[in-house]
Amino acid sequence: SYELTQPPSVSVSPGQKASITCSGDTLWEKFTCWYQQKPGQSPVLVIYEDTKRPSGIPERFSGSNSGNTATLTISGTQALDEADYYCQAWDSNTVLFGGGTKLTVL
Amino acid sequence: QLHLQESGPGLVKPSETLSLTCTVSGGSISTYTYYWGWVRQPPGKGLEWIGIIYYSGSTYYNSSLKTRVTISVDTAKNQFSLNLRSVTAADTALYYCAAVEYYYYSMDVWGKGTTVTVSS
Repeated sequence: SYELTQPPSVSVSPGQKASITCSGDTLWEKFTCWYQQKPGQSPVLVIYEDTKRPSGIPERFSGSNSGNTATLTISGTQALDEADYYCQAWDSNTVLFGGGTKLTVL
Repeated sequence: QLHLQESGPGLVKPSETLSLTCTVSGGSISTYTYYWGWVRQPPGKGLEWIGIIYYSGSTYYNSSLKTRVTISVDTAKNQFSLNLRSVTAADTALYYCAAVEYYYYSMDVWGKGTTVTVSS
């Protein structure tokens, strides 16, 4: 069965760029999206269709998808970006989630 | 602005059926734009997709849950529902409903979630 693989954790210093990857076989053929989830809150869509930002999501969030890897990039990371991030794709009539990445801003 | 709200019992006994309802407000459930879906999150763990339904009634389910899950829609009440049969402690989780974009399957709007504990 198809799987999406994310690193369990990523650390970044405030103001620096954070990159969170999501790997899957021929992932470039599928549209991916990304969610941010802060403790005690519902997930929030931050990137859809690989690269698009929903209304209200800051410009520092961007996405890409090439080869077997989709990447969520946060430029100029802020303390309030500390959260869990999940990638998601659709394959064979199934919604797939990555295992999630805990982003620590320190 | 679309708003989703989950409701249902917070405690279910083992072997019984978990039943939750999601009420959609701020828009019609009978829209071409969205599927309507359920996602759960066990304590301290990641997101697990359960299934989605279109307003016409067509469904897709997680293969690992398919034998126990039914998702239905009530267009008159602007609601959709989840039934999960023969529950065990492993089904204890925070259950979310979400609006799932029709073409690319992104979950654009989420409910606040409701906690369901399976225990005798």
